[in-house]
Amino acid sequence: GAVVSQHPSRVICKSGTSVKIECRSLDFQATTMFWYRQFPKQSLMLMATSNEGSKATYEQGVEKDKFLINHASLTLSTLTVTSAHPEDSSFYICSAPLPQETQYFGPGTRLLVL
Amino acid sequence: RKEVEQDPGPFNVPEGATVAFNCTYSNSASQSFFWYRQDCRKEPKLLMSVYSSGNEDGRFTAQLNRASQYISLLIRDSKLSDSATYLCVATNQAGTALIFGKGTTLSVSS
Repeated sequence: GAVVSQHPSRVICKSGTSVKIECRSLDFQATTMFWYRQFPKQSLMLMATSNEGSKATYEQGVEKDKFLINHASLTLSTLTVTSAHPEDSSFYICSAPLPQETQYFGPGTRLLVL
Repeated sequence: RKEVEQDPGPFNVPEGATVAFNCTYSNSASQSFFWYRQDCRKEPKLLMSVYSSGNEDGRFTAQLNRASQYISLLIRDSKLSDSATYLCVATNQAGTALIFGKGTTLSVSS
């Protein structure tokens, strides 16, 4: 069964609005979660590392003020795309590592900004 | 140079064929390597880890050559259900995040 959930699975919004995406680890605690973005026919690109109890770590070129990350608890990380624009339309995926194992991915959120 | 590079693909093969994917990584400090499978419009799912000693899981065999910084995946007796994009993955230097290749698309036809 799924070990990481994401919500919503799909969202369509108008340009300029903010969109919040939730990532939850199911039945395990994740002090670290990762947020990726994937454009069509491209690889997954790591955007940021979400750390419970401290600030997120952003990859080079990712605007921290535009992509707000909050690791609210040991099972929840949220990514808020602020003032979304059409170029932010993408597939956003979170992942969480299980102890002694590799990472498991959420089902992803498909964002379309009109 | 990209951190993880894969065969461009796509690979179009008939059922029963054997197909091999290659991948190179640039960061010699990477510690762990994986092959993930991604179906269209879905999240990636772990196919198998890759070790220097080589590992096999049914029809799938993965191999790592640290000296050449090269990773391979061999699929024998291809099935229609193997059609997907295969992602070569290495961990970053800290061993925390995953660095993905662009993926190689496999299409198996009857």
